[in-house]
Amino acid sequence: GAVVSQHPSWVICKSGTSVKIECRSLDFQATTMFWYRQFPKQSLMLMATSNEGSKATYEQGVEKDKFLINHASLTLSTLTVTSAHPEDSSFYICSARDLGGEGQPQHFGDGTRLSIL
Amino acid sequence: GQNIDQPTEMTATEGAIVQINCTYQTSGFNGLFWYQQHAGEAPTFLSYNVLDGLEEKGRFSSFLSRSKGYSYLLLKELQMKDSASYLCAVLDSNYQLIWGAGTKLIIKP
Repeated sequence: GAVVSQHPSWVICKSGTSVKIECRSLDFQATTMFWYRQFPKQSLMLMATSNEGSKATYEQGVEKDKFLINHASLTLSTLTVTSAHPEDSSFYICSARDLGGEGQPQHFGDGTRLSIL
Repeated sequence: GQNIDQPTEMTATEGAIVQINCTYQTSGFNGLFWYQQHAGEAPTFLSYNVLDGLEEKGRFSSFLSRSKGYSYLLLKELQMKDSASYLCAVLDSNYQLIWGAGTKLIIKP
């Protein structure tokens, strides 16, 4: 149980392109999903917390207009990197927490490796 | 500030036992998680401790002492596939997950 699907796994695109990443909880409902970014050999960095039916909460230093988050249902959250540039190249990982509450573990998707040329 | 400390890197031998420590100073405490992350992959959940004591799951065990702000992850009968980073994370009083930088575990034959 507790499977989170993230798509796509790999994206390579030109600078200026917008990229959409989907995160789905397959066998449970998630009021809260999280978006992380991880650069090589560095720890996870929380970008934003996505709450179903309301606006996402962004961490300090993360541009809301650049990283658009939509959490329209209890099983789907999307992250759109708008007008991506080479410095946005990173490993983006989503996670979802079961409806059971804040004490539930976060279950991670497989991540999306984004490369901007 | 909130802080989680764990060793950057550890090396152990296949078949042996290794203990990865984690100390934390956070604003409140609502539980501690251990995750495993293989290189180039997303983290996978290993354990959750909210009460003091030892939780055992097969070859992996996790211990918590809330009074000492201390946890450890114990891996027994090490296998080569256990080579990975191990992340300690604490839920603070606002239920925000505070992540450690991770411990890279290298298993040698």
